[in-house]
Amino acid sequence: DAGVIQSPRHEVTEMGQEVTLRCKPISGHNSLFWYRQTMMRGLELLIYFNNNVPIDDSGMPEDRFSAKMPNASFSTLKIQPSEPRDSAVYFCASSLRGRAEAFFGQGTRLTVV
Amino acid sequence: AQTVTQSQPEMSVQEAETVTLSCTYDTSESDYYLFWYKQPPSRQMILVIRQEAYKQQNATENRFSVNFQKAAKSFSLKISDSQLGDAAMYFCAYRRAFGNEKLTFGTGTRLTIIP
Repeated sequence: DAGVIQSPRHEVTEMGQEVTLRCKPISGHNSLFWYRQTMMRGLELLIYFNNNVPIDDSGMPEDRFSAKMPNASFSTLKIQPSEPRDSAVYFCASSLRGRAEAFFGQGTRLTVV
Repeated sequence: AQTVTQSQPEMSVQEAETVTLSCTYDTSESDYYLFWYKQPPSRQMILVIRQEAYKQQNATENRFSVNFQKAAKSFSLKISDSQLGDAAMYFCAYRRAFGNEKLTFGTGTRLTIIP
């Protein structure tokens, strides 16, 4: 299996622009997670889906952030408008319900200037 | 709310020696999972080892083993015969066994291997 695939690997954008991060989970996995990693806050959950339905979005910072999972093989995390404080590494992870392990993608490093 | 604490921001070990990374956690749950993830400079988060709280036996994966003390809420990682490739950030993580599947991470320990 190719593992969790995220794109792009790196994104540099100007403040105020819309940013879309993409994730393809491992085939057959039915839980998908978006995490953010920063020096200040470490690794924190933004949102997770089970069977394409958002289950916990309590970590989504504010209305500028939105996430969708239109089908079992694709998810997006959108930031609009982006701000410099959104600069971070964004990870997508997936797991199979009934299994404890979550497997991570390689992350997207977002820089907002 | 669950919390995970890693009190060692940095550790170093001589190549081929053994090192132990510490982790404590707080939870009111009785069933849960604990994990160690490795993050090398490539940024990839790699699962190293997992432990189910209901299992008394400590998990082992090749050179990696854990010391799980449920009553003390302690979950340390021992790396034996350290290799240069073990150099990375190591994160301890907690997940409930039922319900919310999210991982709660500690702040990480940066491990340096001295040749």
